[in-house]
Amino acid sequence: DTEVTQTPKHLVMGMTNKKSLKCEQHMGHRAMYWYKQKAKKPPELMFVYSYEKLSINESVPSRFSPECPNSSLLNLHLHALQPEDSALYLCASSQDRWGGPTDTQYFGPGTRLTVL
Amino acid sequence: AQTVTQSQPEMSVQEAETVTLSCTYDTSESNYYLFWYKQPPSRQMILVIRQEAYKQQNATENRFSVNFQKAAKSFSLKISDSQLGDTAMYFCAFIVPNAGGTSYGKLTFGQGTILTVHP
Repeated sequence: DTEVTQTPKHLVMGMTNKKSLKCEQHMGHRAMYWYKQKAKKPPELMFVYSYEKLSINESVPSRFSPECPNSSLLNLHLHALQPEDSALYLCASSQDRWGGPTDTQYFGPGTRLTVL
Repeated sequence: AQTVTQSQPEMSVQEAETVTLSCTYDTSESNYYLFWYKQPPSRQMILVIRQEAYKQQNATENRFSVNFQKAAKSFSLKISDSQLGDTAMYFCAFIVPNAGGTSYGKLTFGQGTILTVHP
């Protein structure tokens, strides 16, 4: 079963709101990722978690705060976002063997975020 | 640094015909994985096919096959018997396993090719 789930599917929020995106996988993967994708562009990596520890932060603004409570769950907490943060947010997971993510990344369906 | 180039922003094909999407990449690594992902209008990113660089045999998955030319750093995707459901944006991507530092877990994508299958 190569399924990654994300909730909610759509989210509209104001610039002063606090919201969270959720991602879940039950494939036993130990690496999880957040990506941001604008229309007709490739995904841009935001964060990489390996064994529940933050391994990579691609210089993402602090208004995005990731959290990995356990090996199956990944959250992205949002606060004081800007309209330019409106995008599709994709979660992915992969095996993490021999000290690093080596295998295929499987993506969730994404959360379409609109910031008003 | 790794780069992936998809030189065809848009392509179209008639249903049941064959189409080939191009991808070239640049890397100094000898061990890496290459992927084609498909993203239909529903926006779910779906793995189409994967190729390990150390394998000479080209990967195939049903109607999808690749032409992997390691020396030329080329990785094209051939779709046979095109179907309406193949309409999507296709991304070529690259990863170096066990990369350290800022390349850790980083999947490098091309800019994508929008494929439209016409009835």
